[in-house]
Amino acid sequence: QQPVQSPQAVILREGEDAVINCSSSKALYSVHWYRQKHGEAPVFLMILLKGGEQKGHDKISASFNEKKQQSSLYLTASQLSYSGTYFCGTEIYGGSNYKLTFGKGTLLTVNP
Amino acid sequence: NAGVTQTPKFQVLKTGQSMTLQCAQDMNHEYMSWYRQDPGMGLRLIHYSVGAGITDQGEVPNGYNVSRSTTEDFPLRLLSAAPSQTSVYFCASSYTDLTSYEQYFGPGTRLTVT
Repeated sequence: QQPVQSPQAVILREGEDAVINCSSSKALYSVHWYRQKHGEAPVFLMILLKGGEQKGHDKISASFNEKKQQSSLYLTASQLSYSGTYFCGTEIYGGSNYKLTFGKGTLLTVNP
Repeated sequence: NAGVTQTPKFQVLKTGQSMTLQCAQDMNHEYMSWYRQDPGMGLRLIHYSVGAGITDQGEVPNGYNVSRSTTEDFPLRLLSAAPSQTSVYFCASSYTDLTSYEQYFGPGTRLTVT
């Protein structure tokens, strides 16, 4: 079942923060985050595994709340280069580890 | 390293025509997959393969065939194109264990069926 991402779209000014959420009705084993710029291929950001760990690099980090079956992506002090569509992909606990189900995406626009 | 390559970049087909979308990777990845991307729908898995000779269906396999004769190549065949197959198609590859490894996506093929 497709995870639900919120918000669908967000507009920021450079330097502002944003949070993108990814929720599932099923127990999750892992959550994968990708960013896609317009007209380009998706690019990997990070993977979070069951266990509630938090990961991050640079000013982008993410958490995985196992009890809520939700992952959140945090973008702090946003830069123009952060603009794009963010997708979460989920692996269902007990399901195939060869299939990711992606959400519909969150369009992030960062303005000067 | 070319990474994941796809050809063609653009294609226009008439309803009922057949064609093959090509995908190749030079990273020696066992796992390869095909997704389609439609506006507002995200990425949907069509077929995937965990090695040469092994393929399986994803979420939206109807109307598409795949085979994997080598580690490097994973072509996607449309047997009889329909307007509903108008989409952007992405091929991706990874090490076998998706849980722990990222997928590398190709640049995509934009297909229009009239």
